[in-house]
Amino acid sequence: SQTIHQWPATLVQPVGSPLSLECTVEGTSNPNLYWYRQAAGRGLQLLFYSVGIGQISSEVPQNLSASRPQDRQFILSSKKLLLSDSGFYLCAWRTAGYGTQYFGPGTRLTVL
Amino acid sequence: GQNIDQPTEMTATEGAIVQINCTYQTSGFNGLFWYQQHAGEAPTFLSYNVLDGLEEKGRFSSFLSRSKGYSYLLLKELQMKDSASYLCAVVDSNYQLIWGAGTKLIIKP
Repeated sequence: SQTIHQWPATLVQPVGSPLSLECTVEGTSNPNLYWYRQAAGRGLQLLFYSVGIGQISSEVPQNLSASRPQDRQFILSSKKLLLSDSGFYLCAWRTAGYGTQYFGPGTRLTVL
Repeated sequence: GQNIDQPTEMTATEGAIVQINCTYQTSGFNGLFWYQQHAGEAPTFLSYNVLDGLEEKGRFSSFLSRSKGYSYLLLKELQMKDSASYLCAVVDSNYQLIWGAGTKLIIKP
């Protein structure tokens, strides 16, 4: 069966500090991978998605970046965090082109 | 543009039935998902509709009308644990998911 991992679960970072969130998927090959952000009480905002190694599509201009160094690894990064980067970050995977999207447990980021 | 509309919040009584509506306008249609999200947790898959009609799964049912751009999620015999947000998402012509903002369902005893 497929499993998706995200870490850390919670993170408190000062403004201007760097960020690295990691997501890995087990039990599937060549998945589509996604990073979402959800502000408190709001809907899902798609940040990045990837259809393969090294292939990243950005949906929203921001100070965040994403990388996919391996087939089942997706990393979200920032060089300098802003207060507005606070939120619940969710990684998700989906069979390429179709199928149900499954979410990781999420990382709650607070930028102070 | 692409648009998914859901009510922001609904309140229902334990043991009752509630219907959560979702209307959509998207570039193409390749199916519609419903997800449940408890506070502080990740969304979990509930149902998928690609053809018109009703899909039943235990206490939960989902209906789709493609000609009307409309779906609903029907929850029967409501339990307190059903208090959550319910997200509607449409698969567009590029096979990307377009998400609604979600409906927060509050269950009262």
